[in-house]
Amino acid sequence: DAMVIQNPRYQVTQFGKPVTLSCSQTLNHNVMYWYQQKSSQAPKLLFHYYDKDFNNEADTPDNFQSRRPNTSFCFLDIRSPGLGDAAMYLCATSSGTGMPYEQYFGPGTRLTVT
Amino acid sequence: AQKITQTQPGMFVQEKEAVTLDCTYDTSDQSYGLFWYKQPSSGEMIFLIYQGSYDEQNATEGRYSLNFQKARKSANLVISASQLGDSAMYFCAMRDRYMDSNYQLIWGAGTKLIIKP
Repeated sequence: DAMVIQNPRYQVTQFGKPVTLSCSQTLNHNVMYWYQQKSSQAPKLLFHYYDKDFNNEADTPDNFQSRRPNTSFCFLDIRSPGLGDAAMYLCATSSGTGMPYEQYFGPGTRLTVT
Repeated sequence: AQKITQTQPGMFVQEKEAVTLDCTYDTSDQSYGLFWYKQPSSGEMIFLIYQGSYDEQNATEGRYSLNFQKARKSANLVISASQLGDSAMYFCAMRDRYMDSNYQLIWGAGTKLIIKP
Protein backbone atom coordinates (compact mmCIF):
# COMPACT_ATOMS: atom_id res chain seq x y z
CA ASP A 1 0.00 0.00 0.00
CA ALA A 2 1.16 3.50 -0.79
CA MET A 3 1.96 5.29 2.39
CA VAL A 4 3.85 7.86 4.44
CA ILE A 5 6.48 6.39 6.75
CA GLN A 6 8.19 8.13 9.64
CA ASN A 7 11.21 6.91 11.53
CA PRO A 8 11.72 6.55 14.35
CA ARG A 9 8.31 6.47 16.00
CA TYR A 10 9.82 7.53 19.31
CA GLN A 11 12.98 9.59 19.71
CA VAL A 12 14.68 10.64 22.90
CA THR A 13 17.39 13.26 22.70
CA GLN A 14 19.32 15.36 25.17
CA PHE A 15 18.96 19.07 25.59
CA GLY A 16 21.09 20.75 22.90
CA LYS A 17 21.98 17.52 21.07
CA PRO A 18 21.10 17.66 17.35
CA VAL A 19 18.47 15.25 16.17
CA THR A 20 17.12 14.26 12.74
CA LEU A 21 13.67 12.90 12.03
CA SER A 22 12.96 11.22 8.73
CA CYS A 23 9.95 10.81 6.49
CA SER A 24 9.49 8.84 3.30
CA GLN A 25 6.54 8.41 0.98
CA THR A 26 5.50 6.00 -1.73
CA LEU A 27 2.64 8.18 -2.98
CA ASN A 28 4.88 10.11 -5.39
CA HIS A 29 3.36 13.37 -4.13
CA ASN A 30 4.89 16.71 -5.00
CA VAL A 31 4.24 18.35 -1.66
CA MET A 32 5.68 17.30 1.69
CA TYR A 33 4.97 18.99 5.03
CA TRP A 34 6.38 18.98 8.53
CA TYR A 35 4.09 19.78 11.43
CA GLN A 36 4.74 20.12 15.14
CA GLN A 37 1.90 19.08 17.41
CA LYS A 38 1.86 19.56 21.16
CA SER A 39 -0.52 17.76 23.46
CA SER A 40 -4.23 18.47 22.84
CA GLN A 41 -3.44 21.13 20.23
CA ALA A 42 -3.91 21.42 16.50
CA PRO A 43 -0.85 20.67 14.36
CA LYS A 44 1.33 23.67 13.59
CA LEU A 45 2.91 23.85 10.16
CA LEU A 46 6.70 24.31 10.29
CA PHE A 47 7.47 24.23 6.56
CA HIS A 48 6.58 22.52 3.33
CA TYR A 49 8.17 21.65 0.01
CA TYR A 50 6.67 21.73 -3.43
CA ASP A 51 9.15 19.47 -5.17
CA LYS A 52 12.43 21.15 -4.18
CA ASP A 53 10.85 24.55 -3.59
CA PHE A 54 11.10 25.17 0.15
CA ASN A 55 8.49 27.23 2.02
CA ASN A 56 9.23 28.23 5.59
CA GLU A 57 6.52 29.49 7.93
CA ALA A 58 7.34 32.94 9.29
CA ASP A 59 7.24 31.81 12.92
CA THR A 60 9.25 28.61 12.53
CA PRO A 61 12.36 28.94 14.74
CA ASP A 62 15.76 28.93 13.05
CA ASN A 63 16.56 25.90 15.18
CA PHE A 64 14.44 23.85 12.77
CA GLN A 65 15.79 22.98 9.34
CA SER A 66 14.64 20.65 6.63
CA ARG A 67 16.07 18.80 3.66
CA ARG A 68 14.39 17.07 0.77
CA PRO A 69 17.03 15.23 -1.25
CA ASN A 70 14.50 13.59 -3.59
CA THR A 71 10.75 13.16 -4.11
CA SER A 72 10.48 10.30 -1.65
CA PHE A 73 12.40 11.56 1.37
CA CYS A 74 12.24 14.56 3.65
CA PHE A 75 14.17 15.22 6.87
CA LEU A 76 13.59 17.48 9.84
CA ASP A 77 16.74 18.60 11.64
CA ILE A 78 16.54 20.19 15.07
CA ARG A 79 19.93 21.74 15.64
CA SER A 80 19.78 22.37 19.38
CA PRO A 81 16.63 20.89 20.89
CA GLY A 82 15.17 22.63 23.90
CA LEU A 83 12.66 21.29 26.39
CA GLY A 84 9.96 23.24 24.55
CA ASP A 85 10.62 21.23 21.39
CA ALA A 86 9.26 18.06 22.93
CA ALA A 87 6.24 17.25 20.78
CA MET A 88 4.80 14.97 18.14
CA TYR A 89 6.25 15.68 14.70
CA LEU A 90 4.00 14.80 11.81
CA CYS A 91 5.02 14.45 8.20
CA ALA A 92 2.37 14.74 5.51
CA THR A 93 2.15 14.71 1.74
CA SER A 94 -0.27 15.94 -0.86
CA SER A 95 -0.49 15.86 -4.60
CA GLY A 96 0.40 19.24 -6.05
CA THR A 97 -1.36 18.62 -9.31
CA GLY A 98 -4.96 17.83 -8.45
CA MET A 99 -7.49 19.35 -6.09
CA PRO A 100 -8.45 19.15 -3.33
CA TYR A 101 -4.89 18.67 -2.11
CA GLU A 102 -5.91 16.57 0.87
CA GLN A 103 -2.97 15.74 3.05
CA TYR A 104 -1.93 12.23 3.97
CA PHE A 105 -0.05 11.83 7.21
CA GLY A 106 2.54 9.48 8.57
CA PRO A 107 2.24 7.94 12.05
CA GLY A 108 4.36 10.68 13.60
CA THR A 109 7.55 10.77 15.66
CA ARG A 110 7.15 11.55 19.33
CA LEU A 111 10.19 13.52 20.47
CA THR A 112 11.26 13.65 24.10
CA VAL A 113 13.98 16.07 25.21
CA THR A 114 15.78 15.25 28.47
CA ALA B 1 -8.64 36.47 8.15
CA GLN B 2 -9.38 32.80 7.80
CA LYS B 3 -10.50 30.98 10.91
CA ILE B 4 -11.88 27.60 11.95
CA THR B 5 -13.88 27.25 15.17
CA GLN B 6 -14.68 23.98 16.88
CA THR B 7 -16.75 24.84 19.96
CA GLN B 8 -16.86 21.38 21.55
CA PRO B 9 -13.59 20.58 23.33
CA GLY B 10 -14.93 17.16 24.31
CA MET B 11 -17.94 14.91 23.82
CA PHE B 12 -19.18 11.67 25.33
CA VAL B 13 -21.55 9.60 23.20
CA GLN B 14 -23.15 6.20 23.72
CA GLU B 15 -22.05 3.48 21.31
CA LYS B 16 -24.33 3.09 18.26
CA GLU B 17 -25.70 6.62 18.56
CA ALA B 18 -25.12 9.21 15.85
CA VAL B 19 -22.65 12.01 16.59
CA THR B 20 -22.45 15.54 15.23
CA LEU B 21 -19.18 17.44 15.61
CA ASP B 22 -19.47 21.17 15.03
CA CYS B 23 -17.24 23.27 12.80
CA THR B 24 -17.73 26.86 11.70
CA TYR B 25 -15.38 28.71 9.43
CA ASP B 26 -14.65 32.22 8.30
CA THR B 27 -13.32 33.18 4.91
CA SER B 28 -13.99 35.92 2.41
CA ASP B 29 -13.10 33.65 -0.50
CA GLN B 30 -15.85 32.07 -2.59
CA SER B 31 -13.66 29.11 -3.47
CA TYR B 32 -12.49 27.03 -0.53
CA GLY B 33 -12.31 23.48 0.74
CA LEU B 34 -13.17 21.94 4.09
CA PHE B 35 -11.61 18.82 5.53
CA TRP B 36 -12.15 16.58 8.51
CA TYR B 37 -9.37 14.52 10.05
CA LYS B 38 -9.40 11.91 12.81
CA GLN B 39 -6.47 11.48 15.19
CA PRO B 40 -6.56 8.40 17.45
CA SER B 41 -4.40 8.24 20.55
CA SER B 42 -1.68 6.55 18.45
CA GLY B 43 -1.07 9.94 16.83
CA GLU B 44 -1.61 9.34 13.13
CA MET B 45 -3.82 11.92 11.44
CA ILE B 46 -6.38 10.22 9.18
CA PHE B 47 -8.18 12.05 6.38
CA LEU B 48 -11.94 11.41 6.59
CA ILE B 49 -13.90 13.62 4.23
CA TYR B 50 -13.73 16.70 2.02
CA GLN B 51 -16.30 19.32 0.94
CA GLY B 52 -15.65 21.90 -1.74
CA SER B 53 -17.43 25.23 -1.53
CA TYR B 54 -19.04 24.73 -4.93
CA ASP B 55 -20.17 21.17 -4.25
CA GLU B 56 -23.95 21.19 -4.27
CA GLN B 57 -24.37 17.96 -2.37
CA ASN B 58 -23.12 17.12 1.09
CA ALA B 59 -20.07 14.86 1.02
CA THR B 60 -20.44 11.32 2.33
CA GLU B 61 -17.86 8.60 2.99
CA GLY B 62 -19.25 5.45 4.55
CA ARG B 63 -20.48 6.31 8.05
CA TYR B 64 -19.17 9.88 7.73
CA SER B 65 -21.14 12.72 6.22
CA LEU B 66 -20.55 16.41 6.16
CA ASN B 67 -23.52 18.69 6.88
CA PHE B 68 -22.51 21.72 4.81
CA GLN B 69 -24.50 24.89 5.39
CA LYS B 70 -22.81 27.53 3.31
CA ALA B 71 -24.91 30.52 4.37
CA ARG B 72 -24.19 29.75 8.01
CA LYS B 73 -20.55 28.91 7.27
CA SER B 74 -20.79 25.60 9.02
CA ALA B 75 -19.39 22.20 8.06
CA ASN B 76 -20.42 19.74 10.75
CA LEU B 77 -19.22 16.15 10.68
CA VAL B 78 -21.87 13.51 11.28
CA ILE B 79 -20.84 9.99 12.28
CA SER B 80 -23.66 7.48 12.06
CA ALA B 81 -23.89 4.42 14.31
CA SER B 82 -20.83 5.29 16.39
CA GLN B 83 -18.34 2.57 17.33
CA LEU B 84 -15.78 2.29 20.12
CA GLY B 85 -13.06 2.76 17.51
CA ASP B 86 -14.40 6.22 16.73
CA SER B 87 -12.97 7.50 20.01
CA ALA B 88 -10.36 10.01 18.90
CA MET B 89 -9.57 13.67 18.40
CA TYR B 90 -11.33 15.19 15.38
CA PHE B 91 -10.01 18.23 13.54
CA CYS B 92 -11.78 20.45 11.02
CA ALA B 93 -9.52 22.27 8.55
CA MET B 94 -9.89 24.67 5.64
CA ARG B 95 -8.01 25.77 2.56
CA ASP B 96 -8.76 28.88 0.50
CA ARG B 97 -7.04 30.91 -2.16
CA TYR B 98 -5.96 33.67 0.22
CA MET B 99 -3.56 31.41 2.03
CA ASP B 100 0.11 31.88 1.28
CA SER B 101 0.10 28.60 -0.54
CA ASN B 102 -2.53 26.42 -2.16
CA TYR B 103 -1.15 23.61 -0.09
CA GLN B 104 -1.63 24.96 3.41
CA LEU B 105 -4.52 24.33 5.79
CA ILE B 106 -6.00 26.31 8.65
CA TRP B 107 -6.85 23.96 11.53
CA GLY B 108 -9.50 24.09 14.23
CA ALA B 109 -8.63 23.34 17.85
CA GLY B 110 -10.19 19.89 17.67
CA THR B 111 -12.92 17.95 19.49
CA LYS B 112 -12.10 14.95 21.64
CA LEU B 113 -14.79 12.31 21.11
CA ILE B 114 -15.19 9.42 23.53
CA ILE B 115 -17.60 6.61 22.72
CA LYS B 116 -19.04 4.85 25.76
CA PRO B 117 -19.87 1.11 25.58
